[in-house]
Amino acid sequence: AQSVTQLGSHVSVSEGALVLLRCNYSSSVPPYLFWYVQYPNQGLQLLLKYTSAATLVKGINGFEAEFKKSETSFHLTKPSAHMSDAAEYFCAVSESAGNNRKLIWGLGTSLAVNP
Amino acid sequence: GAVVSQHPSRVICKSGTSVKIECRSLDFQATTMFWYRQFPKQSLMLMATSNEGSKATYEQGVEKDKFLINHASLTLSTLTVTSAHPEDSSFYICSARDWVLGYTFGSGTRLTVV
Repeated sequence: AQSVTQLGSHVSVSEGALVLLRCNYSSSVPPYLFWYVQYPNQGLQLLLKYTSAATLVKGINGFEAEFKKSETSFHLTKPSAHMSDAAEYFCAVSESAGNNRKLIWGLGTSLAVNP
Repeated sequence: GAVVSQHPSRVICKSGTSVKIECRSLDFQATTMFWYRQFPKQSLMLMATSNEGSKATYEQGVEKDKFLINHASLTLSTLTVTSAHPEDSSFYICSARDWVLGYTFGSGTRLTVV
């Protein structure tokens, strides 16, 4: 069975500092991995996804994530935090094959950016 | 990019009434749509998966007679909360998937049952 663990339900950084949001997964088949961002009372927006191509994935808004199979990790980073990055971030995994391929979600990490 | 339109964004209804939420894929055909429920400060809980033209597959613990899902076309899925009660108040989000673009989410519906 697949699962996702996001370490740290709350992360606080200063504006301009490095953002690191951790995600570890378990999967018995090659996974697809996703990071989504959610602003209050809104749906989810895809930041980036890994689908078995390059292990370093660049996404929108300056975010990137690196797939490390040996560590079963897909941590999200951004070199310099901006106030507008404050939001809820979700990591998700899905199977790379199969008809329905539903997403399995982490519990989310709330990112606060301090001035 | 892919866009999923979800309506209404907010709805308040009386206990015992039914509410319909629509989810449309605007510029692509969604082979599969997913309906989620999200409680405050929590992750998404998958309620059901629907494929166009077939019955939805509900997750364990989700009442299929209470949460009616219809996926009549490749661009439209609806979730009807029947005989709503205050405990059904929540944030409902739909997601559409196609073979190329991946998963695209609607903007969510805040349901309040009074």
